[in-house]
Amino acid sequence: AQSVTQLGSHVSVSEGALVLLRCNYSSSVPPYLFWYVQYPNQGLQLLLKYTSAATLVKGINGFEAEFKKSETSFHLTKPSAHMSDAAEYFCAVSSPPNTPLVFGKGTRLSVIA
Amino acid sequence: ETGVTQTPRHLVMGMTNKKSLKCEQHLGHNAMYWYKQSAKKPLELMFVYNFKEQTENNSVPSRFSPECPNSSHLFLHLHTLQPEDSALYLCASSQDSSNHYGYTFGSGTRLTVV
Repeated sequence: AQSVTQLGSHVSVSEGALVLLRCNYSSSVPPYLFWYVQYPNQGLQLLLKYTSAATLVKGINGFEAEFKKSETSFHLTKPSAHMSDAAEYFCAVSSPPNTPLVFGKGTRLSVIA
Repeated sequence: ETGVTQTPRHLVMGMTNKKSLKCEQHLGHNAMYWYKQSAKKPLELMFVYNFKEQTENNSVPSRFSPECPNSSHLFLHLHTLQPEDSALYLCASSQDSSNHYGYTFGSGTRLTVV
């Protein structure tokens, strides 16, 4: 069965520092992988997705993620954090790709001035 | 403007009430979903509709009753809820069930059962 593990329920970084949010997945077949962001009192917004093309995926707001099959990981990074990046981030997997998305528990990102 | 509109944004209901949540999308998508988001838990899939047909019911209690009259509208009818049903209910849509483009989410309905 597919599952997603997000390491760290809360990550705090300084403004301008590297952002690294970790996601590991479990699936028996090649997956589709997604990162979503949720701001307070809002729904989830798609940041980026991996659907079996390039393993390094670039998304909105300067975020990117790399699919590493050998490590079953899909970590989210951004070179320089902005205050506006403070939000909840969710990793999701669909495996096989035509099955509904399964989400991780989320990681709350705080950005310190 | 997310393209997926949920109403109401907030709802407080008693355990004996009957209410409905509404979701509407104008994206031309053919699949729609209900998810429940509770504090400190992963999003829980509740129901999936594909071309108006229910394709998944994730062991949801019968006090939650979905309805999908067409590909643009999705309802969640609520009756005799329990306090533990208080949560953010999120509606999402996708082009189809292939998930190639991911989901578009609404802003959710914050439900409080008293």
